Amino acid sequence: AQTVTQSQPEMSVQEAETVTLSCTYDTSESDYYLFWYKQPPSRQMILVIRQEAYKQQNATENRFSVNFQKAAKSFSLKISDSQLGDAAMYFCASFASTNKLIFGTGTLLAVQP
Amino acid sequence: DSGVTQTPKHLITATGQRVTLRCSPRSGDLSVYWYQQSLDQGLQFLIQYYNGEERAKGNILERFSAQQFPDLHSELNLSSLELGDSALYFCASSVGLANEQFFGPGTRLTVL
Repeated sequence: AQTVTQSQPEMSVQEAETVTLSCTYDTSESDYYLFWYKQPPSRQMILVIRQEAYKQQNATENRFSVNFQKAAKSFSLKISDSQLGDAAMYFCASFASTNKLIFGTGTLLAVQP
Repeated sequence: DSGVTQTPKHLITATGQRVTLRCSPRSGDLSVYWYQQSLDQGLQFLIQYYNGEERAKGNILERFSAQQFPDLHSELNLSSLELGDSALYFCASSVGLANEQFFGPGTRLTVL
């Protein structure tokens, strides 16, 4: 079975600083994908970044990057130069042959001006 | 805007009633997924359709059913509603079976 764990219910960061959100997962599959989704107060689910398990290179999207440690089953999200608009709930998710996204419980990120 | 549309945005109904939530995927996407987000259960996968066929099922109650039509839009039917069914229901779509999913804005269901 797939599981996703986010151990940080809340995090806070100063504007322009860097913050890292943690995520660990468990799967018996060899072929899987990992995602970070952002859910702002509007409740819209927005895809932030995607990582294919077979790729060793960490994914990067502008100010967002991941640290994918396959052996440790860890998939953390780093947000650089944090902006007020980054304040949101962030969900880590995995996807494998079961054809469904398994979500963690989320990390609520506050950005302090 | 993800390109996925969901109607209605809000729905208020009473226990025991039946409602239908509608989803139109992004142009070209063949897969449609339904998720439920509630305070106590978090984000949970309900069901997936690919080009009209059911491909995966999650913890979907027997009172719930879904289908995907030939034009690829999908409907989620919820019947014999209970207070605990109050939640945000998301539809997501993807091109294939293993591509990133793009979420609609959700339908907020309130059961009184």
